[in-house]
Amino acid sequence: DAGVIQSPRHEVTEMGQEVTLRCKPISGHNSLFWYRQTMMRGLELLIYFNNNVPIDDSGMPEDRFSAKMPNASFSTLKIQPSEPRDSAVYFCASSDTGREQYFGPGTRLTVT
Amino acid sequence: GEDVEQSLFLSVREGDSSVINCTYTDSSSTYLYWYKQEPGAGLQLLTYIFSNMDMKQDQRLTVLLNKKDKHLSLRIADTQTGDSAIYFCAVTNSGYALNFGKGTSLLVTP
Repeated sequence: DAGVIQSPRHEVTEMGQEVTLRCKPISGHNSLFWYRQTMMRGLELLIYFNNNVPIDDSGMPEDRFSAKMPNASFSTLKIQPSEPRDSAVYFCASSDTGREQYFGPGTRLTVT
Repeated sequence: GEDVEQSLFLSVREGDSSVINCTYTDSSSTYLYWYKQEPGAGLQLLTYIFSNMDMKQDQRLTVLLNKKDKHLSLRIADTQTGDSAIYFCAVTNSGYALNFGKGTSLLVTP
């Protein structure tokens, strides 16, 4: 079975540019999570979707960040405009039970 | 929010047992997890335990939970070089929002 798929795996962009990260959850999973990992803050939950509806976005840093889930098999996390402090590894995870979250390989974002 | 603390580094010899420890502050935590992260990869769910359990064993992995002391441990028996990775403890009281520790880097030497 394919796991959680994320693209791109690496993204390098200049400050001020728009960045879009993509995620395809495991088929049949109805919960989707976006996390951010940095050395300073570790792993942080950004947003949680259930049945394509955002349930908890309290972890989204600021208005520059937005996330969508237009259908059960696709989600995006967008940063506009990007800043150097957004540099991190962004993980998408999905779950069918809510208890077991399965992570994708991550997107390493570098904003220069 | 929830504080989850782990020691940063552990080194063991191949064949020995490894014990990775974690403490947390929220006594209402319901599920407690161990994840493994290899370099450049995502997090792999190893095992989890419900808060009404004291112990869970899965092949070489043993999870111990001391609710009184809010202490969780992961024991890896017969540690192999392939077990070298970062191990994350995570807890939740909401059922979905995982609070992660900073991770323990395990180095297994031959």
